[in-house]
Amino acid sequence: EIVMTQSPATLSVSPGERATLSCRASQRVGSNLAWYQQKPGQAPRLLISGASTRATGIPARFSGSGSGTEFTLTISSLQSEDFAVYYCQQYNNWPGTFGQGTKVEIK
Amino acid sequence: QLQLQESGPGLVKPSETLSLTCTVSGVSITTTNDYWGWIRQPPGKGLEWIGSIHYNGNTRYNPSVMSRVTVSVDTSKDQFSLRLSSVTAADTAVYYCARVWRGATTWFDPWGQGTLVSVSS
Repeated sequence: EIVMTQSPATLSVSPGERATLSCRASQRVGSNLAWYQQKPGQAPRLLISGASTRATGIPARFSGSGSGTEFTLTISSLQSEDFAVYYCQQYNNWPGTFGQGTKVEIK
Repeated sequence: QLQLQESGPGLVKPSETLSLTCTVSGVSITTTNDYWGWIRQPPGKGLEWIGSIHYNGNTRYNPSVMSRVTVSVDTSKDQFSLRLSSVTAADTAVYYCARVWRGATTWFDPWGQGTLVSVSS
C-alpha cells in the first residue's frame, strides 16, 4: 500500500496570503493524484485531479503541481472560505490511499 | 445535478453487520461507465477507501476490509449498498458514498453528505 504523507499538519495563514501544501508518496504515482477540501461537518470536495486539473467550479486560486512522489497544492490568496482541511489521494495503485490531511487555519 | 444520499442505521452492535444504502439522483447509474464507491472516516481521523462497484456488478475492495465487505447495486432504484460484517468499535466512522470517475480506483466526485455509524452495545 502506498503511504501518502502531507506536510505540514497545520498551516497558519493570514487571509490574502499564499498557502503551499505538500504531499509525498512512498512510491511513484505518476500524475494520479487528487486533492480534496473538507470543512467541519461536511463531506470532502474534489479540488484537483490528475495532479493539476481543477474540478468544475473550483476557483483559479487553487492550483496543483508535481508528479512522481512530490506534489503541491497552492492557494494563491486565501479567502475566508478556504480555511479547512485538505487531503491528497493517490489512485495510481490499488487501494487508493489518502494523506492524513493538512489543516489550514487563520493566523 | 448529480447527488448522492446515504441512509441506514446509525448504531450497530459489535459482531453484527453494518448495512448502508446510497441513493443516486440526477443521473441513472446505468448511463455512466463510472464506478460508485464507499469511503469512511473515523471521528477526527483521515479517509479510507472501502470499495467500489460498477452497475454491471464488477467490484473492487480494499484489502483491509475485503474479508468482511460486500458492495452491491440495484440499478432499478439507482442505488448501491454496503454491507460490513463482524463490526467492532474500530468500524465507527462517518461513511460516505461517492461517484468514482473513469474506473474503480480513481478520484471521487461528488460525495454524499455522509452518515455516522457507531458500533456499540
